[in-house]
Amino acid sequence: GALVYQYPRRTICKSGTSMRMECQAVGFQATSVAWYRQSPQKTFELIALSTVNSAIKYEQNFTQEKFPISHPNLSFSSMTVLNAYLEDRGLYLCGVSGGASYEQYFGPGTRLTVL
Amino acid sequence: GDSVTQTEGLVTLTEGLPVMLNCTYQTIYSNPFLFWYVQHLNESPRLLLKSFTDNKRTEHQGFHATLHKSSSSFHLQKSSAQLSDSALYYCALRGYKVVFGSGTRLLVSP
Repeated sequence: GALVYQYPRRTICKSGTSMRMECQAVGFQATSVAWYRQSPQKTFELIALSTVNSAIKYEQNFTQEKFPISHPNLSFSSMTVLNAYLEDRGLYLCGVSGGASYEQYFGPGTRLTVL
Repeated sequence: GDSVTQTEGLVTLTEGLPVMLNCTYQTIYSNPFLFWYVQHLNESPRLLLKSFTDNKRTEHQGFHATLHKSSSSFHLQKSSAQLSDSALYYCALRGYKVVFGSGTRLLVSP
């Protein structure tokens, strides 16, 4: 499987501020990166799917204006949570897939706490 | 669109009993990929099983599942539950994107 890193692992930000999180795939060509939020109730919400050389596709209730994503190459992606509020709390996971591999490998996640 | 249904939110078992977690799906794709992920406390989801072959049993770490396209199912089974199996289990489907079920929490007690 792929090695996927995410940083920071935990972050706390004040309500209304923004924070950026990163996802790095090692030894694997991450042609697709999906960003998820796992709520305290443990449900998965897909935020957006980014495929290299294609437009980033955001799911309903998530926008580029709120969650801008960068996917500049096959090993790295970043996402920013702009103007974070309490409802943005949760574990943000990146799932990478690519090449002949159809499964998705997850990073350890970035846990966001909003005060 | 694609969807995955896990009917049980919580399954509680005594150690040694068999495990069966249900998963059914809906998709327009004739050759979907199905996955089971396991998430232990304070960890991220880890791939447990995967399959795209109809009626072929796939096994890993004592767990097994068989994709049945006729019934759109991919149930997860294990013959004997262990305490360490307590975790969240997610069934997932890959069409254009990966779609997750709502998850089943498995609690195994002594």
